[in-house]
Amino acid sequence: AQSVSQHNHHVILSEAASLELGCNYSYGGTVNLFWYVQYPGQHLQLLLKYFSGDPLVKGIKGFEAEFIKSKFSFNLRKPSVQWSDTAEYFCAVNDMRFGAGTRLTVKP
Amino acid sequence: DGGITQSPKYLFRKEGQNVTLSCEQNLNHDAMYWYRQDPGQGLRLIYYSQIVNDFQKGDIAEGYSVSREKKESFPLTVTSAQKNPTAFYLCASSIERDSTYEQYFGPGTRLTVT
Repeated sequence: AQSVSQHNHHVILSEAASLELGCNYSYGGTVNLFWYVQYPGQHLQLLLKYFSGDPLVKGIKGFEAEFIKSKFSFNLRKPSVQWSDTAEYFCAVNDMRFGAGTRLTVKP
Repeated sequence: DGGITQSPKYLFRKEGQNVTLSCEQNLNHDAMYWYRQDPGQGLRLIYYSQIVNDFQKGDIAEGYSVSREKKESFPLTVTSAQKNPTAFYLCASSIERDSTYEQYFGPGTRLTVT
């Protein structure tokens, strides 16, 4: 069965700090990988996705993620976070299996 | 203005009563989904439907039922058999793009059963 693990439940950073949120999945077949974001009071929305090709994927608002097949990982990164990045981030595999989410709090 | 609507935003019910949550989309998407979101557990799939008049159970379908009589609508009924129904329920629809399916989410319904 497919499963997704997000190891960080709550991350607290100061503005301008670098961010890396971990995501590992277990699935033996072809995977499509997604990161979704839920800003306070807003709908869940797609941040970025990987389906094939370049394993380094760039998304909206300066986020990127790297697919490392040998590690079954799809970690989300941003070099310098802003207060407006405060949100909950969800990793998903094959559009129906989600991780538990990571709450990011950015302190101004 | 295209999107997914869920109503109501907040719903309160007494234990033992069935309750139906509405989900409507005008995006012309074929597939629709229901998730339950609990703190620390992320989104768990309840049911999904890839085409009208067809749907499949997700990981936690027990105590729930759905119908898909129209492409635009995918209502979820939380029955009295659901042991722990208080939760935040999210509806989504998806479109195929770049050989994958991108999901679009509604605003959610927070159900409280007492």
